[in-house]
Amino acid sequence: EAQVTQNPRYLITVTGKKLTVTCSQNMNHEYMSWYRQDPGLGLRQIYYSMNVEVTDKGDVPEGYKVSRKEKRNFPLILESPSPNQTSLYFCASRPGQVYGYTFGSGTRLTVV
Amino acid sequence: AQTVTQSQPEMSVQEAETVTLSCTYDTSENNYYLFWYKQPPSRQMILVIRQEAYKQQNATENRFSVNFQKAAKSFSLKISDSQLGDTAMYFCAFMKLSGTYKYIFGTGTRLKVLA
Repeated sequence: EAQVTQNPRYLITVTGKKLTVTCSQNMNHEYMSWYRQDPGLGLRQIYYSMNVEVTDKGDVPEGYKVSRKEKRNFPLILESPSPNQTSLYFCASRPGQVYGYTFGSGTRLTVV
Repeated sequence: AQTVTQSQPEMSVQEAETVTLSCTYDTSENNYYLFWYKQPPSRQMILVIRQEAYKQQNATENRFSVNFQKAAKSFSLKISDSQLGDTAMYFCAFMKLSGTYKYIFGTGTRLKVLA
C-alpha cells in the first residue's frame, strides 16, 4: 500500500530532551515536507526537501532540524524541545511539483 | 506574499443537503493550483479535489465540486448529498507554480453533518 508512515503517533516529552519523529514514504516521491498544525493557524510548513540532500526552511523552522540522506526518509529532529513546540505534526510527500500531497497520519507531540 | 482565507470557522448541514465552504486567496501569480483537503476526526489529511488555475472548467469529484472564480480569487467547495462521513475539518490550499512550489493553507472550516 502506497503510504507515508510517521512514528510515533503520540509523544509526551520533557523540555530539553532531544527527540526524532520519523517519516518514510514508499512511493519514490521527490518532494517531502513537514508541517505543524495548530488551532486557528492551519498548517504551517517547517521544512521541505525537493530531493536527496536538498532541504530548505519553511515558514516556522526555528527549533527544528531535518535531513534527507535517502529518498524515502525525512526525519524531523527537535534538539531541545520547548513547550511552544507542542503541536500536531504531519509529514507529507508528493511525486513532483504540481501534485497533491500524501500525508502521514500525524504525530501529536506534547512538551512539558 | 500569498494568503489563503477561510472565513467560516464552523458550519453545519443536515444529512442529504448541500453545503458550500468558502475560500479566498490573494496572489499576484497567474499560474497556480488550488486544493481542498479533508481532515476527519481520525486526523488523516485527505486530498478531496484539485483545480488548475489555467482551466476554466470547475473540477468535480463525485459529490464534491468547486466554484473557481479566478478574477474574484475565490475557490469554494460544494458538497452535495452530505453524508455523516463528511464531518471533518476542511482546508483550502494554494500552490504557486514557481520557485519552491510551496503550499499555503487556510485556517480551516470545521463541518458537522447532522443526522
